Amino acid sequence: AQSVTQLGSHVSVSEGALVLLRCNYSSSVPPYLFWYVQYPNQGLQLLLKYTSAATLVKGINDFEAEFKKSETSFHLTKPSAHMSDAAEYFCAVWTSGTYKYIFGTGTRLKVLA
Amino acid sequence: GAVVSQHPSWVICKSGTSVKIECRSLDFQATTMFWYRQFPKQSLMLMATSNEGSKATYEQGVEKDKFLINHASLTLSTLTVTSAHPEDSSFYICSASAAGGTLGEQYFGPGTRLTVT
Repeated sequence: AQSVTQLGSHVSVSEGALVLLRCNYSSSVPPYLFWYVQYPNQGLQLLLKYTSAATLVKGINDFEAEFKKSETSFHLTKPSAHMSDAAEYFCAVWTSGTYKYIFGTGTRLKVLA
Repeated sequence: GAVVSQHPSWVICKSGTSVKIECRSLDFQATTMFWYRQFPKQSLMLMATSNEGSKATYEQGVEKDKFLINHASLTLSTLTVTSAHPEDSSFYICSASAAGGTLGEQYFGPGTRLTVT
């Protein structure tokens, strides 16, 4: 069975500082991994995805994530936080075994001026 | 591309009535559609998966007679909450995967806020 753990339900960073949101997964088969962002009262927007190609994945708005199989991690980073990055971020795992997403519990990012 | 819409975006209904929520893929054919429920400050919980022309597959604990899902075409799926009660109040989000698209990738609608009074 798959599972996703997002460490830190709330993360605060100063504007211009590095953003690091943590995601660890568990899967018995090779996973596909996704990061989504959700703004209040909106659906989810895809930031980036890992689908077994390059382990360092670049997404929209300067976000990137690195798939580390040995650490079963897929942490999301951004070099410099912007006020508009304040939102809820979800990590999700998908496998061909179940054909459905398992979402993490989410991390709320707050950007301080 | 890959836009999913939901209608209505916000609905209030009285306890005991039924509410229908539509999910449409606007610019692609959706072989599979998914319905999620999200409580405030919580993650998304998958309710059911539907393939066009087939009966929906419900997740454990989801009442299929209460949450009726119809996926009549490759661009439209509907979720009907029957005999709604206040505990059904939630944010409902649909998503769709595209025929020939990246395996595993889903496109999400903007969500529907349901309030049952």
